[in-house]
This record gives sequence, C-alpha cells and structure tokens, in this order.
Amino acid sequence: GAGVSQSPRYKVAKRGQDVALRCDPISGHVSLFWYQQALGQGPEFLTYFQNEAQLDKSGLPSDRFFAERPEGSVSTLKIQRTQQEDSAVYLCASSPGLATNTGELFFGEGSRLTVL
Amino acid sequence: AQSVTQLGSHVSVSEGALVLLRCNYSSSVPPYLFWYVQYPNQGLQLLLKYTTGATLVKGINGFEAEFKKSETSFHLTKPSAHMSDAAEYFCAVSGNDKIIFGKGTRLHILP
Repeated sequence: GAGVSQSPRYKVAKRGQDVALRCDPISGHVSLFWYQQALGQGPEFLTYFQNEAQLDKSGLPSDRFFAERPEGSVSTLKIQRTQQEDSAVYLCASSPGLATNTGELFFGEGSRLTVL
Repeated sequence: AQSVTQLGSHVSVSEGALVLLRCNYSSSVPPYLFWYVQYPNQGLQLLLKYTTGATLVKGINGFEAEFKKSETSFHLTKPSAHMSDAAEYFCAVSGNDKIIFGKGTRLHILP
C-alpha cells in the first residue's frame, strides 16, 4: 500500500485477554517503531526495529508486551493479560533509513485499544 | 538523554493572527528537531525538521521554526492562522536511534 497500515483500527478487550496489533509498513522501509499514545498525551516510545532486528525495546512497559518483525516487514505488537492501563492508541511508524538521520517517520492511523 | 517540553497544552488564536507554539529541548548531542501535526482522526505527519545548516526551517502549510541553540528552543510559528490549522502539534527530538515526542499542543482557531 501507499502508507503505513495498522489493524485492527479499534479493539475492545476484556481485562486479562491477549491482543495482537498488526503493522504493515511502507514497502522497503528499514526502520519500524511502535509508540503508545494515551489520551491527551504525546506518543511514548515502545520499541524499534531495524529490518528484523529489535534494536531497542526499552520503552516496553512490562514483560506482558512483546513485539516482533520476523521478516523485516510486517510487525506485530502483542500484549498479554491486558490491563486497564494498557488502554491507549498504539501507533506504528516506519522510515526508509535510520529515522534519526532522515528525521521523518511515516505514521499509521493507529490501533485504539480499550480494555474493560 | 533527550527530551522535549512543550509549553501550553492548549493554545487559541484568532483566524488571521500569529501562531506561536513553544518547544524547548534537552539533548546531550547536537539535536535533530521536528514538528509533527496530527489532524483529527489522522496519523501524525511531519511538518518540518531541523538537522544541520540553516537554523530557520520552513515546512508545509506556511509553518516555520527556528533552532536557537542558546535558548535550547525550537518554536513553531505561522504568520496568519487559518481554520484548517486546528490540530494537535508535537515537537520531537531524535537521539539514540529513537525519536522522542513532547506531550503536544492543541491549537484552536477562533473565527
């Protein structure tokens, strides 16, 4: 596709359920980021991939959060045993090179997770 | 470590008036700085960026920002606000392979 695609756009989960959020980056983009955006806040860094390698996962809030990008394209963010505090919009962004050099991230529209 | 602080979570200006959104940064290395905009129900998109060179940077939709190292600032301006500028604006700084965002400023345009 022409842009970054995320699915599902909306997800409602009961507390304790596992969820998986998918990101299709722009074809050929090397870098892929996941951010968490709580209501009224800016995007908070979760994790970063360069191709299939997860180079930084320092922002993942707990070991319930797991991300992968096995073939260097599509990425999945998995949240196990969801809690109410996990409710947020999860943003995926990709960049053709090293994002900190090129400076431009291309964002998807996000997946809004609501945990009841 | 890198961080950004945006002053004012909400800013209201009249249509046709000057827009000024404030951003201060902290960085242990020469920073790359960015402004992103998020329109309602849309993803974030890059407005402008400063990497090296000219400190006054021009972006899309008539916005510009000036990098002032002495003030550690990167304020966003537009001479004349338009109704279509109503959105949320995020200042960001790069470092250590990631881009760190501020909490955002929601810009309201008054008719």
